[in-house]
Amino acid sequence: EPEVTQTPSHQVTQMGQEVILRCVPISNHLYFYWYRQILGQKVEFLVSFYNNEISEKSEIFDDQFSVERPDGSNFTLKIRSTKLEDSAMYFCASSEDTFIDTQYFGPGTRLTVL
Amino acid sequence: DAKTTQPNSMESNEEEPVHLPCNHSTISGTDYIHWYRQLPSQGPEYVIHGLTSNVNNRMASLAIAEDRKSSTLILHRATLRDAAVYYCIRKNTGNQFYFGTGTSLTVIP
Repeated sequence: EPEVTQTPSHQVTQMGQEVILRCVPISNHLYFYWYRQILGQKVEFLVSFYNNEISEKSEIFDDQFSVERPDGSNFTLKIRSTKLEDSAMYFCASSEDTFIDTQYFGPGTRLTVL
Repeated sequence: DAKTTQPNSMESNEEEPVHLPCNHSTISGTDYIHWYRQLPSQGPEYVIHGLTSNVNNRMASLAIAEDRKSSTLILHRATLRDAAVYYCIRKNTGNQFYFGTGTSLTVIP
């Protein structure tokens, strides 16, 4: 069964450093998402992406964050200057379409900012 | 989503039905209700979704109140593999998922 994959599974970085989290969505899906989950808390929407542009973003997704689909398969989340509070599990998801469609989540990348 | 609330935890005996409630009192008319579950160290996994009518699939049933201010996820026969955190989610027309607080389900053998 096709699945969303994410790399790395765990990323440790120093405060102020840039990180790029990578995702490979399911191949025929057209809509891509990033979510984060701070330890012990609920999952929070960050951004959705379609047709090479951001379609929706939350208040969390400020200027420190950016997303990109650099080629036909990868979807990346970049955090320019990490803060301690960016430590969280980051989930990528994809869906075929937006309207009522199921989102398929990857296993997540745990980001630890020291 | 602060407006989507669920009990923190519930317990069920194995092979018994489980009813997981969710309150979404400020849901708009076009928002879908989705349920996902998250097993330890995994991403959320789709369970079921609906808009107004009750829904059934091979995993579960979803009962939606007539006023749509609440819904209940029904697992007909809980198994040990159903132990997870269950999220009630409000999905808007932009396909943003607003996760509820989640209910941690413990299944007792």
